[in-house]
Formats: sequence, C-alpha cells, structure tokens
Amino acid sequence: DSGVTQTPKHLITATGQRVTLRCSPRSGDLSVYWYQQSLDQGLQFLIQYYNGEERAKGNILERFSAQQFPDLHSELNLSSLELGDSALYFCASSVGQSEPYEQYFGPGTRLTVT
Amino acid sequence: DAKTTQPPSMDCAEGRAANLPCNHSTISGNEYVYWYRQIHSQGPQYIIHGLKNNETNEMASLIITEDRKSSTLILPHATLRDTAVYYCIVMGGGGADGLTFGKGTHLIIQP
Repeated sequence: DSGVTQTPKHLITATGQRVTLRCSPRSGDLSVYWYQQSLDQGLQFLIQYYNGEERAKGNILERFSAQQFPDLHSELNLSSLELGDSALYFCASSVGQSEPYEQYFGPGTRLTVT
Repeated sequence: DAKTTQPPSMDCAEGRAANLPCNHSTISGNEYVYWYRQIHSQGPQYIIHGLKNNETNEMASLIITEDRKSSTLILPHATLRDTAVYYCIVMGGGGADGLTFGKGTHLIIQP
C-alpha cells in the first residue's frame, strides 16, 4: 500500500461524457502527478501540481484538466470523452518538487469509454 | 527520443540474483537514474535511484558505471512476486517533472 488513494477504481461511461477522477496523496506529500496508461501509448505523464499550483505539463489533451485543492487532494477532469480515452489513470505523489525524489503511485482508475 | 535502452524481456530462476541492465549513454551530469517496476496493471512502484555512487536499499542494489553511461539493477534473491515490468528512467536537472516511462524490461521469474 503506497498511501495514495484513487477513486473510483472502475468507471464506464459513454462517448461525449465528462468524468472526474479523484486522488488523495500520501500524508505530507505536496506534489501530485497524473499519468495515463493505454495499450498503445504506454505510461504517459499528464500533469503535475505542487501545493495547489500547476508545476509541469506533459501530454495532456485540452479536453482534460486537473486541479489540486487546499487539502492537497487532486481531481482530473476528462470531458468530451472518446473511445481512445479508455485507459488506466494513475495518480502519484511525492514530498517535494525538485530532485531527487521518488513518486508513490496509487492503484489507478480504469476508465472504459463505450 | 529515448534516454534509456533496456532489453524487452529477461528470465531469471527463483532464488537467483536478477541483473537488469540499462544503457543511458546521453545522461547529463545532474541527472539521476531511477528504477520503478509495475506488477500487472498495478500502480508503478519506486525501487531505487542513484546519481553517481552505487546504492542499496531493502529491495535492490543499483550499480552505476564510472562513466555513468549504464547501470544495473540487482534483485539479490528473486521471488515469483518480482515478476514485473522494470523501468529505468533518467531525469533530473534540478526541476520537477513527470517520469518518462519507456517500454521497460519484462522480468519473468521462473520457479
């Protein structure tokens, strides 16, 4: 158990819909990261927040957005969903925002878009 | 542009040491070498990291060559639960960023 929690575990929705994935970091961690893992693209970094502020962006689509709240939990919003958005979405957390640091991953949310 | 090169798959007998190689010939002086693993669709798990010196923790040892162009992750006594995809990641430079995962090495521990 990494100490990072993600809800829900599974999500099935239709194309065009919008969903929200939630992540609670380990106690004391200020950074939250979001990753997408699909069969064809592998594990890809989407976005990072540090203490409520966006810190780094990866391959995140414009239809996707995220935020980190004052209690440090984070939400990833996916809108206008397409079949290709079906994937595992992982959240990770770390203590700080600069090297060296290790990231601790949650169990993931499996999103299926039909 | 891949920063690391790893063999796609490896086998190892249970109880033996598993040695996973990684080439990172373009590594910069301030970049770290990280190892993570992912067991069948679970969240990736941090294993170890190093800059120049060899490192050891309760999970594994990391051997970095003197020129820092390659490294080896050593699992001293592999068990069936060590079957996973192992990712070698190079990053650093003083700023935070997301991890860039390649295809990794699928390590299969044979009973």
